[in-house]
Amino acid sequence: NAGVTQTPKFQVLKTGQSMTLQCAQDMNHEYMSWYRQDPGMGLRLIHYSVGAGITDQGEVPNGYNVSRSTTEDFPLRLLSAAPSQTSVYFCASSKGRGNTEAFFGQGTRLTVV
Amino acid sequence: AQTVTQSQPEMSVQEAETVTLSCTYDTSESDYYLFWYKQPPSRQMILVIRQEAYKQQNATENRFSVNFQKAAKSFSLKISDSQLGDAAMYFCAYRRPGAQKLVFGQGTRLTINP
Repeated sequence: NAGVTQTPKFQVLKTGQSMTLQCAQDMNHEYMSWYRQDPGMGLRLIHYSVGAGITDQGEVPNGYNVSRSTTEDFPLRLLSAAPSQTSVYFCASSKGRGNTEAFFGQGTRLTVV
Repeated sequence: AQTVTQSQPEMSVQEAETVTLSCTYDTSESDYYLFWYKQPPSRQMILVIRQEAYKQQNATENRFSVNFQKAAKSFSLKISDSQLGDAAMYFCAYRRPGAQKLVFGQGTRLTINP
């Protein structure tokens, strides 16, 4: 089992460029989320999905777009990269809510110059 | 809105000793879930331990245990017999019942001195 796979692991973008961070899970989890990690701020929720075709905004959604066409995949799109989006991005999936464990990918370190 | 606070940005401990990481949270809910995640230098987020608020008994997982004080809204992590592999960033997290979102604290960087 690969678990949650994120690609790429590192990326450098120029301001204004767009890109897609890929996330795939092979655990048949309905719930998937994207977080960003910034120093001194922990992880903050960007967008989340409760199943294929259903997405919703988290705490810091501006500048990001998501879609969920399949159970396995949950890509995160940066529409026009800004230096404020320099961060480490994590994708997570879980079987349910509440006490259920969230499984995380290994993260993508994104630098916007 | 729920908030989670980890007031110790950095902690250090001698190998084989015990260390306690602090976490406090703010919520108006009576039922909720609390988690401790470990993030080693590999960046991988690993679940260490979890606690359900309606359970009075503190959770334990081998060398890891929690001190859950519901009235004080405190959820500290105790690591016994610290090992070099315990060196990592530790995050406390909160989740409401029926919610998907995890609310994270700022993290505590734990260093183990040989």
